[in-house]
Parts: sequence; structure tokens; C-alpha cells
Amino acid sequence: QLQLQESGPGLLKSSETLSLTCSVSGDSIRNNYYFCGWIRQPPGKGLEWVGSYSYTGSTFYSPSLESRVIISVDTSKNQFFLKLSSVTAADTAVYYCATSRNGYKHFDYWGQGTLVNISS
Amino acid sequence: SYELTQPPSVSVSPGQTARITCSGKALPKQYGYWYQQKAGQAPVLVISQNSERPSGIPERFSGSSSGTTLTLTISGVQAEDEADYYCQSSDDYGSAPVVFGRGTKLTVL
Repeated sequence: QLQLQESGPGLLKSSETLSLTCSVSGDSIRNNYYFCGWIRQPPGKGLEWVGSYSYTGSTFYSPSLESRVIISVDTSKNQFFLKLSSVTAADTAVYYCATSRNGYKHFDYWGQGTLVNISS
Repeated sequence: SYELTQPPSVSVSPGQTARITCSGKALPKQYGYWYQQKAGQAPVLVISQNSERPSGIPERFSGSSSGTTLTLTISGVQAEDEADYYCQSSDDYGSAPVVFGRGTKLTVL
């Protein structure tokens, strides 16, 4: 069974860079046709896609966040990463990592999520 | 930017059928997906590729697509089905490969 686990600081100050890691266990992300992604959810609000990395080597970013986001992968460590620069209070959210294994752009497996608070 | 439109809320009594819709211009060409999110938990995929039910999802959950509308149907609703439901798809042009609807709160009366 595939499992994902987010890790990273839970509190940041405005203008800092948010860095999160998603550790994948139960399979190698070099296998299959992984479509990995980061999704966030501000308190009391809906899901917002942040960006994704595809098995093809391509990265995709939300148009509203594209100027501040970098997603990368380390297949040797079975991890993928999120960096979001110049954060503000509006970036306060639960951040989920998630993935599918069949190449289609959706998410079968999700981490439990990690709350990131941005203080001003 | 591309949007998927869902009703904010749907209410049904136990045992009844709940239908939640999601509309979007690209849905005739792009697969749609449905996620269930209970309070304080991560989302769970309940319908894949418009109508496929992943392993472990109860048979009372079904999905369909017609034109620009996806529909999630929950037959014989149970109290445990009370949750937020989100549709997800992609736009036609590649600029937004993942888009979520704003979510529908299903209340079991």
C-alpha cells in the first residue's frame, strides 16, 4: 500500500520561503507512471492545486502561484518537494502531497497533510 | 481561468439518493474525478475517470458524465457519507492540468 508523509516547518514569517518534503513508501516513484502533486487547503476553505510533477519529467504549476513555486523530485530518496517563496498570511493552509500511479492527472493516494502557519 | 462549478450544499435524508453535479466547459473531453473529505481528514478518491469506483469504495457511490456535467450519485445515503465532495478535472489547453471545484457540503438530515 502506497503511503505519503509530508514534513517541514509548521510556522514561517512573511516573505520567507516555505519548503516541504513528501516521503513516499510502499513503491518507488521511478516505477509506474507517477503524477505527484501538492494541494493546499486554507482553514475553512476548499482544495487548491499548487503544482505537480509528472513521470514524463514535466512540472506543472497553478497559474496563480507559478511565479513563486518550484516542485522537484529526488527519485533516489523516493521524495518530492515543494518550495513556495515570498509567503504571506494568505499562504496559511494545510498542505497535502498526493499522487496517482497511472499517469492520469488526479490523485489516488494522499498524505495526511501538514498545517503551515504564516505570521506577519 | 478554467472553473468547475458545484452547488455549495446538498441535503438528503438517510436512505435517499444524493446527486452532486459539477459543470465545466472541458468536461466533454477531459476525465472528471470526485473526492470525499470528512472533517479533519485528507481527501479520498471515490470516483475516477468519470465513473470508475476505486477499490474499497462502497457500491452506493457512482459517477456519470454527460456533456459539460459530471454527476456523483450516492444511493441509499448513510450518515457516514456526510462530508465535503470535490470534483476535479483539467482544462483543454494544458495551462491548468488540475482544477478543483469549490466543493459541495453533503448534509445527511
